Amino acid sequence: DGGITQSPKYLFRKEGQNVTLSCEQNLNHDAMYWYRQDPGQGLRLIYYSQIVNDFQKGDIAEGYSVSREKKESFPLTVTSAQKNPTAFYLCASSSWVVRGYGYTFGSGTRLTVV
Amino acid sequence: DQQVKQNSPSLSVQEGRISILNCDYTNSMFDYFLWYKKYPAEGPTFLISISSIKDKNEDGRFTVFLNKSAKHLSLHIVPSQPGDSAVYFCAAFNAGNMLTFGGGTRLMVKP
Repeated sequence: DGGITQSPKYLFRKEGQNVTLSCEQNLNHDAMYWYRQDPGQGLRLIYYSQIVNDFQKGDIAEGYSVSREKKESFPLTVTSAQKNPTAFYLCASSSWVVRGYGYTFGSGTRLTVV
Repeated sequence: DQQVKQNSPSLSVQEGRISILNCDYTNSMFDYFLWYKKYPAEGPTFLISISSIKDKNEDGRFTVFLNKSAKHLSLHIVPSQPGDSAVYFCAAFNAGNMLTFGGGTRLMVKP
């Protein structure tokens, strides 16, 4: 059963700590994306990767870092430089070939800074 | 520069009536349009899409209309059900395979 898995679902971080959010897909999709959603807001693009070993900054990349060493995995690190990291984070993937369904999203990780 | 806009942040509809969600775009290079549905604390799920060469696509209770001359997209839900209460995002693909999302419209269907 193909899909995209984000873990953990809830994450608490102390101020000043880095934390890594996991995103794994078994859909054989080439592209992967990270979005952030704040309460009552839309989706803002943090980083995206169209192919392995390559990624691009989105609209709000400051304070975040990513890697794409494997096609299936696109972890996001929220660094201590991110001033307001408390948010709901969504990972997505897509196929270059099948565009009609757009992106497939994971179920999200809610990060809270304590 | 918001290329995809959903001007109504919320919409309230009575159960059984029609829900109409609207979306405007500015980029004439968009070639595919999609609607997503999102419940709180969950990821968005794909609802329906339409190619720019069509003006209507229907799937059960959901119909998407595209007016290219007006650069306007709408989603019709008939009849509306309480389970349809969610945030709806419209999105558009450019040739580079990147989706641009609107800000979302919260639909509330009252029993």
